[in-house]
Amino acid sequence: NAGVMQNPRHLVRRRGQEARLRCSPMKGHSHVYWYRQLPEEGLKFMVYLQKENIIDESGMPKERFSAEFPKEGPSILRIQQVVRGDSAAYFCASSPGQISNYGYTFGSGTRLTVV
Amino acid sequence: AQSVTQLGSHVSVSEGALVLLRCNYSSSVPPYLFWYVQYPNQGLQLLLKYTTGATLVKGINGFEAEFKKSETSFHLTKPSAHMSDAAEYFCAVILPPFSGGYNKLIFGAGTRLAVHP
Repeated sequence: NAGVMQNPRHLVRRRGQEARLRCSPMKGHSHVYWYRQLPEEGLKFMVYLQKENIIDESGMPKERFSAEFPKEGPSILRIQQVVRGDSAAYFCASSPGQISNYGYTFGSGTRLTVV
Repeated sequence: AQSVTQLGSHVSVSEGALVLLRCNYSSSVPPYLFWYVQYPNQGLQLLLKYTTGATLVKGINGFEAEFKKSETSFHLTKPSAHMSDAAEYFCAVILPPFSGGYNKLIFGAGTRLAVHP
C-alpha cells in the first residue's frame, strides 16, 4: 500500500520558467493538502483540494500559483514564472476525508530550487 | 484561529540526556495535537498524537507527550536521547471534528534537535 507519492523529488528551474509538482495521494484518499516549507521555517498551509474542487486556497499566493486535483490522476501544484523566493520544499498530504484525527499522511516532498 | 508556538528553535542535548521540546497552542476549542519528526531531506513522519482520552500519549522511538489543557501545552519528551534522534520536530494542531468548518493542520515553526556524544 503505497504512501503519498510526490514527484519529482528535486526540481531546478530558471527564473521565469514554470514548475509543476505532482502528488498522488494514498489509495482511498480523496483529500489533498499542499504545504510549503521555506528554509528554517515551519510548514505553511497553501491549499486544500478534493477531487475536482478547491476547498480552501487561502494560503496560496494569488498570482502565479494554481492547484488542481482532477477526477483522474494526481494533484498538481503549478507555479508560473518562478522567482528565487519560490525556492522551498513543497509537501503534499492526503486524508480519507474531513476527519482530523489521522493527522494526515505526508509525502517526501519536492524541493524546488530556482536559479 | 489556532496557532502553535514552539519555544526554542534549536535544542542541544548530550546522548543519554533527557529530551524536552516545548509546544504551546492557542485554540478556541481543545484541539487535536500532533508531533512530527523530519529527518534531513525527508518528509514528515508522525511521532504521536493526542485526540481524546488519556492525556499522556506514547509514540514511536520512545517519545511521549502530555496534553495539559490548563497550560495549553503539549511538550514532547524522551528520557534518554540517542544520536539518531537528531532531526527537526514539529508540533501541529487541528480542530476536532464537528467543531465547525473543515480542518487543516497548523504547524509550529519547528525545533531542531542536536544530540552530541
